[in-house]
Parts: sequence; structure tokens; C-alpha cells
Amino acid sequence: DAGVTQSPTHLIKTRGQQVTLRCSPKSGHDTVSWYQQALGQGPQFIFQYYEEEERQRGNFPDRFSGHQFPNYSSELNVNALLLGDSALYLCASSSQGQETQYFGPGTRLLVL
Amino acid sequence: GNSVTQMEGPVTLSEEAFLTINCTYTATGYPSLFWYVQYPGEGLQLLLKATKADDKGSNKGFEATYRKETTSFHLEKGSVQVSDSAVYFCAPPNRDDKIIFGKGTRLHILP
Repeated sequence: DAGVTQSPTHLIKTRGQQVTLRCSPKSGHDTVSWYQQALGQGPQFIFQYYEEEERQRGNFPDRFSGHQFPNYSSELNVNALLLGDSALYLCASSSQGQETQYFGPGTRLLVL
Repeated sequence: GNSVTQMEGPVTLSEEAFLTINCTYTATGYPSLFWYVQYPGEGLQLLLKATKADDKGSNKGFEATYRKETTSFHLEKGSVQVSDSAVYFCAPPNRDDKIIFGKGTRLHILP
């Protein structure tokens, strides 16, 4: 049973560019949440997708957007990258109504 | 919303020492409580959970008991190993299932 997978594992971009990160949830899960973890900090909630719609959103600007596909996989898009967007981006999946979230290994983004 | 307060660390112990990482929470109602662990360079792993008051979660020698009276969920291990070196996060999910994390507690175990 595959757990949560994310791609790519590492990414280097320059300021102003756009990036797309991908997540496949654990088998049987229908809800995907995205978190940003800056170095030395705890993960910060970006948003959550369920039934292909954004259900909850944290305190992140509109440059951060997402999508969920019919197979429950999800993408996180960040436009107009800033140096401060450099972080580990974590995807977590869960089943609707279940509190337990399972995290993927993350995508480490470096913005130069 | 729900939130936690946990010791930030770093906590440095010798191998085989007893570990306690304190966590107190504020919550609406009685949600499940979780401890997540993040090993160097990796994502978060669910370490253990407790779903109701007086429940004890346990995994890999770690334990935590959901104490409603003291609103605490302290993490304990009787004998730590070097491989336990990681960052530990205490987390109650909110009603809408998003998790509000603190900075976590960094644990260093010396051989």
C-alpha cells in the first residue's frame, strides 16, 4: 500500500518564476492538505482540497493556488516566486471525517 | 481554534536516558491528539495518537496519555536511542481538520 508520494523531491527556481508541485494521496484517501515548512519552523497550513474544491485556506497570498483531480491527486502552484518561498512543501492526505493526516516526504524548493 | 504549547528545545540527552517532552493544549471539545516526528531531511511521520481522554497512545517505545484534567499530552520514552534524534511536534487537529503546528521540539541524543 503506497503512502503519500510527492514530486519532485528537490527543485531550484529563480525569483519571479512559477512552480508546480505534485502530490498523490494514500490509497483510499480523498482529502489533500498542503503545508509550507520554512527552515527551523513548524509546518504552516496553506490549503486543503476535497471533492476537487478548496475547502480551507490558511494565511497565504493568492500567488499560492491549487487543484485536485478526480483521482484525488493534487497540485500546488506558486506564481511570481519570492526568495521567502524557499521551504519544504509537505502534502498530507486523509479521509473525509477522519482526523489523522499522513504526510509525504515533501518537496524542497529553493528560490534564488 | 485548537492550539498547543510545547517546549522548544533543543533537548539534549545521553543514550538510554529518560525522555519527557511537555505538551499542553487548548481545544474546543475533546479532539484526538497527535505526536508527529520529523527525522533530519524528511517529512513528518505520525508517531502516535490518542482519541479520547485517558487514552494512551504508544509506538516505538514512546507513550503519551491524553490528560483532560491538565490539558496535557506529554511524550515519554524510557530509554532513548541515537536514532530518536529528530524534531517532535504535538498537534491537535482543528474542527476543519487543518493542523496548527508549533515550532516543535528538537531532540539530540548523544552516544
